Amino acid sequence: AQSVTQLGSHVSVSEGALVLLRCNYSSSVPPYLFWYVQYPNQGLQLLLKYTTGATLVKGINGFEAEFKKSETSFHLTKPSAHMSDAAEYFCAVSESGGGADGLTFGKGTHLIIQP
Amino acid sequence: IAGITQAPTSQILAAGRRMTLRCTQDMRHNAMYWYRQDLGLGLRLIHYSNTAGTTGKGEVPDGYSVSRANTDDFPLTLASAVPSQTSVYFCASSPGTSGEQYFGPGTRLTVT
Repeated sequence: AQSVTQLGSHVSVSEGALVLLRCNYSSSVPPYLFWYVQYPNQGLQLLLKYTTGATLVKGINGFEAEFKKSETSFHLTKPSAHMSDAAEYFCAVSESGGGADGLTFGKGTHLIIQP
Repeated sequence: IAGITQAPTSQILAAGRRMTLRCTQDMRHNAMYWYRQDLGLGLRLIHYSNTAGTTGKGEVPDGYSVSRANTDDFPLTLASAVPSQTSVYFCASSPGTSGEQYFGPGTRLTVT
């Protein structure tokens, strides 16, 4: 069975600093991996995804993530944090590729940006 | 283009009452899903449908039922609500090509 672990329920960084949100997954087959962002009182918005091919994936709002099979990780980074990045971030995995059976989500990381 | 709409936006419901949460998408996606979001637990899959006429159980299906009569609509029914079903419910859809899902704005349900 697939699973996702997000390290740190809360992460606080200063504006302009590097953002690093950690995600480790467990999957019995090559996974499809996703990062979603949720702003207060809104639904989830796709930031980026890894399916196959290049392991460094670029997404919206300057975020990127690198798939490391040997470490079963898919950490999310952004070189310079902005106040507007404050939100809840979810890592998710799918084994079925086509999303036939839904996504398995981590418990989320709340990103706090200090001025 | 609206994407995915959910109704109602929020609802307070007495325990034991029946409730249907509505979800409609206009993207002609084959697959649709219902998740519940609870603080500290992330999102958990309740039910899914790969195509009209088929449904399947997710991680937490007990107390919920779904139907998929057509491509666009995927209602979620609570036959007899209990307080533990207090949550925020999200509907999502997927074209099914590479797994990404698109989410609605959510329904906040409080069962008293």
